Amino acid sequence: GENVEQHPSTLSVQEGDSAVIKCTYSDSASNYFPWYKQELGKRPQLIIDIRSNVGEKKDQRIAVTLNKTAKHFSLHITETQPEDSAVYFCAASITNAGNMLTFGGGTRLMVKP
Amino acid sequence: NAGVTQTPKFRILKIGQSMTLQCAQDMNHNYMYWYRQDPGMGLKLIYYSVGAGITDKGEVPNGYNVSRSTTEDFPLRLELAAPSQTSVYFCASTKRGGADEKLFFGSGTQLSVL
Repeated sequence: GENVEQHPSTLSVQEGDSAVIKCTYSDSASNYFPWYKQELGKRPQLIIDIRSNVGEKKDQRIAVTLNKTAKHFSLHITETQPEDSAVYFCAASITNAGNMLTFGGGTRLMVKP
Repeated sequence: NAGVTQTPKFRILKIGQSMTLQCAQDMNHNYMYWYRQDPGMGLKLIYYSVGAGITDKGEVPNGYNVSRSTTEDFPLRLELAAPSQTSVYFCASTKRGGADEKLFFGSGTQLSVL
């Protein structure tokens, strides 16, 4: 089955700096890669996703890049703010496979004011 | 819409006890899932369902059972609770399960087995 590795497990940045979280996946058939944000004590919520036919996607301060050849994808957050502090999870799945998402282990991002 | 509703929010069980975690969604989603999240870890899929009457095992199904008698409800049953089942449990749903639609999560159930 699919295996998703996520790094780093913790990341501390100063407010205004950029943050990058990286994930690798094992199944070359995976073609859908979402990112979820989980604030302390809350439920995970989708923040951005990308499909395999796209190399990059951007939504305001958040961007995701995908390298299918190397089987890795990354989340980029620019101009970080204290409210970006949370745990971020990457995931991977195969379209039309019941949305069986395999999640990475998570990255705890701390943005220091 | 209430979205995905989970009950209870917290529960403490003794070893060997049983309980059912309730999950209901009012979005007419056909795909539903149960995940567990251990402290500092990612989400592991326990069971999932692609529609009423259909269920299948995920990555970590041992010690759990599910049923899907209606589109709205997807309860998770723990039989003979063990300390290893101490975790936060999330129920989630999505419309078509086409792998390109976001999961809507419930608020979670924090379970401790002592």
